Amino acid sequence: EAQVTQNPRYLITVTGKKLTVTCSQNMNHEYMSWYRQDPGLGLRQIYYSMNVEVTDKGDVPEGYKVSRKEKRNFPLILESPSPNQTSLYFCASSFLNEKLFFGSGTQLSVL
Amino acid sequence: SQQGEEDPQALSIQEGENATMNCSYKTSINNLQWYRQNSGRGLVHLILIRSNEREKHSGRLRVTLDTSKKSSSLLITASRAADTASYFCATDGWEGQGAQKLVFGQGTRLTINP
Repeated sequence: EAQVTQNPRYLITVTGKKLTVTCSQNMNHEYMSWYRQDPGLGLRQIYYSMNVEVTDKGDVPEGYKVSRKEKRNFPLILESPSPNQTSLYFCASSFLNEKLFFGSGTQLSVL
Repeated sequence: SQQGEEDPQALSIQEGENATMNCSYKTSINNLQWYRQNSGRGLVHLILIRSNEREKHSGRLRVTLDTSKKSSSLLITASRAADTASYFCATDGWEGQGAQKLVFGQGTRLTINP
């Protein structure tokens, strides 16, 4: 089944404790992206990747890191999480200029 | 940023009525897409319309695109309770280095009353 798999679904952590949210797709998509969704602010792009080893900043990249060592994986790393990073996070992938497939989301709470 | 802006922010109608949502954007685009999101879940793609297209249909969905006005509309006909969700438009264009960015609006919250 074609899908984007995000883990974990829920995560509660404390300020400053490094964490990684994983994202994997099985559709051979070139394009992958991370979004955060906050009430009243819609979806805002954090980082995106056009292909392996090609990543670029979205609109809200501060406090986040990504890597794209393999085509299927695009992990999101929070080196030192802060409470303002509490949010609902989505990973998505697509062929270039085509529709996005979204993961189920990760609800992150930073205490 | 060429963010799409949906209008209205919230819409409540009776089952069986038609629902129309609008999206405006600021700069030239390659395509415009509409997505649906049930509460707290991942977005699901509905329709993609390219900049050289004016109208597209998919089942009970009809999307129009007016590039001269930089606007699009999503019409859901004969609405059902299961259509209750948030609907987002997303636009993409090419950055200076040829990088694709897809930018979402804040969404329209649609409620269908039985």
